[in-house]
Amino acid sequence: GAVVSQHPSWVICKSGTSVKIECRSLDFQATTMFWYRQFPKQSLMLMATSNEGSKATYEQGVEKDKFLINHASLTLSTLTVTSAHPEDSSFYICSARRGGGGDSLGQYFGPGTRLTVT
Amino acid sequence: GQNIDQPTEMTATEGAIVQINCTYQTSGFNGLFWYQQHAGEAPTFLSYNVLDGLEEKGRFSSFLSRSKGYSYLLLKELQMKDSASYLCAVMDSNYQLIWGAGTKLIIKP
Repeated sequence: GAVVSQHPSWVICKSGTSVKIECRSLDFQATTMFWYRQFPKQSLMLMATSNEGSKATYEQGVEKDKFLINHASLTLSTLTVTSAHPEDSSFYICSARRGGGGDSLGQYFGPGTRLTVT
Repeated sequence: GQNIDQPTEMTATEGAIVQINCTYQTSGFNGLFWYQQHAGEAPTFLSYNVLDGLEEKGRFSSFLSRSKGYSYLLLKELQMKDSASYLCAVMDSNYQLIWGAGTKLIIKP
């Protein structure tokens, strides 16, 4: 159990356009979902945390108006990169937490979305 | 501040044993996680420790000492497919995961 899917797995877009990335928990209800960004050879950087039905909490330095997060249900969260620029090119990874105790506190990751902005 | 330290890179030989250390200083502690991340892929969960001691899971074991703020991941009978980055993460008092920078493990034949 604890499978998280992410779509698309890769996307190429032109500068100035918007891109939407979906994250779904397939076999469990996710109390919390997380969005990360990872540049080559660097560690994960948490962008925002979202709980179903409430506004996302963004990390310092992450622009809320540029990275729109919608957590519409307990199994779906979306990240929209608005007016993308080449510097937004990165590996975007979502994760979901099941809730409960023990190792359920951990996060289960989607396969990631590689975004290239030209 | 909160801090997770682990070596940047390690090299080991196929069939051998390697120990990856992680030390942490966080505001509160609700468990320590180890994840494996292959290049170009998302992390996958390996282990979770919340009490002191050793947790064994097949070829992988994870150890925790809360008083020392220390953990290690032990990989036995190394295989080429174990070449990956290994991420240590600690859950703080707010149930937020604090991530280490990861240890890149290189396995040589």
